[in-house]
Amino acid sequence: AQTVTQSQPEMSVQEAETVTLSCTYDTSESDYYLFWYKQPPSRQMILVIRQEAYKQQNATENRFSVNFQKAAKSFSLKISDSQLGDAAMYFCAYGTNWATDSWGKLQFGAGTQVVVTP
Amino acid sequence: GAVVSQHPSWVICKSGTSVKIECRSLDFQATTMFWYRQFPKQSLMLMATSNEGSKATYEQGVEKDKFLINHASLTLSTLTVTSAHPEDSSFYICSARAGTGTSSLRRQYFGPGTRLTVT
Repeated sequence: AQTVTQSQPEMSVQEAETVTLSCTYDTSESDYYLFWYKQPPSRQMILVIRQEAYKQQNATENRFSVNFQKAAKSFSLKISDSQLGDAAMYFCAYGTNWATDSWGKLQFGAGTQVVVTP
Repeated sequence: GAVVSQHPSWVICKSGTSVKIECRSLDFQATTMFWYRQFPKQSLMLMATSNEGSKATYEQGVEKDKFLINHASLTLSTLTVTSAHPEDSSFYICSARAGTGTSSLRRQYFGPGTRLTVT
């Protein structure tokens, strides 16, 4: 079974600064997806970024980028130029390969609360 | 982009009663949906996989007779919490998977969640 570990319950960052959230996972599969989701107080899950394991290039989405280290099973999220609107709970998630029947089913980490201070 | 809705957004029910939560894919067909449960300040835990036209697949430790799932159409899955008790109070979130073909075309979309309070 896959497990996802987020060891930082809370991270604080000043506006315009950079913060990095860590995530490690365990799997025996070679092809899979990794995600970072944001959950603001509304509790709507918002996809921040997605990485496909077979791609060596790290995914980026505007101010958000990941450092994907497949051999180390590490998947960190960097938020650059932090904004007040970035304050939320961030979840790292693992998803199985799209070719499997269970694709779309996600295993989530415990989450990291990001606090942005002015 | 694709939208998934849930109804109701918040429900309060008395202990011992049953409550139904709907999950709809509004602009795409979803043969498979997932139901998650989230307690306050905790992560999302997968409860079951809902497949259109067949029985749901439950995760270990989830009571099938308590959490009834019906996926009667390509756009609707329902979760019924039967004989609800205060410990069932939680936030229930559904997601639907969409897309076929290559990896890059496949996505999962989350509903806004339903807050259940059992008194």
